[in-house]
Amino acid sequence: AQSVAQPEDQVNVAEGNPLTVKCTYSVSGNPYLFWYVQYPNRGLQFLLKYITGDNLVKGSYGFEAEFNKSQTSFHLKKPSALVSDSALYFCAVRDPISSGSARQLTFGSGTQLTVLP
Amino acid sequence: ETGVTQTPRHLVMGMTNKKSLKCEQHLGHNAMYWYKQSAKKPLELMFVYNFKEQTENNSVPSRFSPECPNSSHLFLHLHTLQPEDSALYLCASSQDRDTSQETQYFGPGTRLLVL
Repeated sequence: AQSVAQPEDQVNVAEGNPLTVKCTYSVSGNPYLFWYVQYPNRGLQFLLKYITGDNLVKGSYGFEAEFNKSQTSFHLKKPSALVSDSALYFCAVRDPISSGSARQLTFGSGTQLTVLP
Repeated sequence: ETGVTQTPRHLVMGMTNKKSLKCEQHLGHNAMYWYKQSAKKPLELMFVYNFKEQTENNSVPSRFSPECPNSSHLFLHLHTLQPEDSALYLCASSQDRDTSQETQYFGPGTRLLVL
């Protein structure tokens, strides 16, 4: 079975500082990994995904994420946070070799990022 | 903004009411999904449709009844709901359910309150 964990419910960072939102995963094979962002009263917006290749993935709004197979992690990062980055962030994993319902995306519980001015 | 629209955006209903949620995608996708989002919990996948055929039903109570008349439209019919069903209901679509690399695109959701 696949699973994903976001160990921090809340992350606070000052504007202009680098930010990291943590994600670890568990799958039986090589994972497909996704990050989504949810602004208040909105649906989830796709940020970036890792399928294969370069471990550093660049996405929307200046975000990037690094796939680390040995640590089974896929942390979301941004060099300089903006107040407008304040939102709820979800990590998701899919095991491509699974079948049936296991092939669906499994989401973490979310991390609320607050960027302080 | 993402090509997936949902109506209504907000809904208040009593436990004896019958209502329907609507989702429409303008992306030319073949797979559509219903998710339930409750506070402090991971998204829960409810139903999956691929080429109008239901392919997943994750043990959802029968008071939730999906309908997919074509690849662009998805409905969730609600009847005799319980207060614990209050949540944000999200619709999503992707090119094809069976392509693991495919990104799912979400609508803005319907905020449901059951009294």
